Amino acid sequence: QPVLTQPPSVSRAPGQRVTISCTGSSSNIGAGYDVHWYQQLPGTAPKAVIYGNNNRPSGVPDRISGSKSGTSASLAITGLQAEDEADYYCQSYDSSLSGWVFGGGTKLTVL
Amino acid sequence: QVHLVQSGGEVKKPGASLKVSCQVSGYTFTSLGINWVRQAPGQGLEWMGWISAYNGNTNYAQKLQDRVTLTTDTSTSTAYLELRSLISDDAAMYYCATQYQLLPYWGQGTLVAVSS
Repeated sequence: QPVLTQPPSVSRAPGQRVTISCTGSSSNIGAGYDVHWYQQLPGTAPKAVIYGNNNRPSGVPDRISGSKSGTSASLAITGLQAEDEADYYCQSYDSSLSGWVFGGGTKLTVL
Repeated sequence: QVHLVQSGGEVKKPGASLKVSCQVSGYTFTSLGINWVRQAPGQGLEWMGWISAYNGNTNYAQKLQDRVTLTTDTSTSTAYLELRSLISDDAAMYYCATQYQLLPYWGQGTLVAVSS
């Protein structure tokens, strides 16, 4: 059972906005540890699209943003495009487990 | 830019041991911590453990700690994952990953099959 909770799937039409939530606890997100978001296309390694809660790596469009509040974090994508269709994972650190923790992943479908 | 290159895919028999390598370039290896993550087919990401390339300190996921060993070779900037007593559930893509200036960097993955 993943330590961080994400919705299993979301779907939106092209051009719309979508948010994906990631809920943790006081030993991970709520303890102040950073949240990273990964995009995973089929057959490829996860690629960071947000790191350190709200930072975009070079090359990631500014349509993608991240936020964090309390024990939760969110990934937002505006102006959805077909290329955004992928699995998205949140990741943080957990002090009780002394290691990385992940959400179960959210499959984003662009209708 | 930190670059991680992993060893090639493997096919193992149940009960065998696995050793995957992860060579790091682009930054001082001994300043990094290396995490290992695996992903079973169609499943999510599972953290396996972490090793400090500075002093070799390790943390392991509780469910794997009896079967996994993480090591490093600072002379070649390479991290290693060893997993023993393989079972069918260990069939997965195995990734090494690190962080530099907060940004995570991942290897390309090593596909491991477990079959008799």
